[in-house]
Amino acid sequence: DVKVTQSSRYLVKRTGEKVFLECVQDMDHENMFWYRQDPGLGLRLIYFSYDVKMKEKGDIPEGYSVSREKKERFSLILESASTNQTSMYLCASRSRRGLVGYTFGSGTRLTVV
Amino acid sequence: AQSVTQPDIHITVSEGASLELRCNYSYGATPYLFWYVQSPGQGLQLLLKYFSGDTLVQGIKGFEAEFKRSQSSFNLRKPSVHWSDAAEYFCAVVPSGGYNKLIFGAGTRLAVHP
Repeated sequence: DVKVTQSSRYLVKRTGEKVFLECVQDMDHENMFWYRQDPGLGLRLIYFSYDVKMKEKGDIPEGYSVSREKKERFSLILESASTNQTSMYLCASRSRRGLVGYTFGSGTRLTVV
Repeated sequence: AQSVTQPDIHITVSEGASLELRCNYSYGATPYLFWYVQSPGQGLQLLLKYFSGDTLVQGIKGFEAEFKRSQSSFNLRKPSVHWSDAAEYFCAVVPSGGYNKLIFGAGTRLAVHP
């Protein structure tokens, strides 16, 4: 089975800190995605990547950046964390080959205090 | 605006009762369609997906969904709900030409009474 691993299940950070959320997938998928999940809003796409060093903004990129230096790893960066970035963050990956679904990680619950 | 709508925020059913969760989308061409489930504290699990062909799709855990082009809907159904089905359910679409971006509805939280 495809596995998408998010390095931290829970994180607590202070306002203004630089925060790194890491995501690793083990199936050589080209596409990787970062979402945030908030009650009543569902999942909203922050950034996605088609391949190494490729990235595209999603629907809510403000305050975030990403890095994809290796195919298996996709990092989400909060340059200066703010309290309104307290949320659940979910990473996903998908192969470009064929009509397959997306595989999600278990999520990182980030609290910014 | 392009969107995915799940009109019901919360639904409560009795164990053994039938279930239908609604999903409508507002994209011009037929998108790829998905239903995911999220149990408390867990990640998202794919229940079923529709790409083309037969409009009635069977998924895991006894769920099915029907694509209705005329209504731009993809409703999820289960004939008899179990207590373990209590979770949050998300409808999602990849718009045709949407470069693989998966767009989610706001979710429906299902509670099951014994």
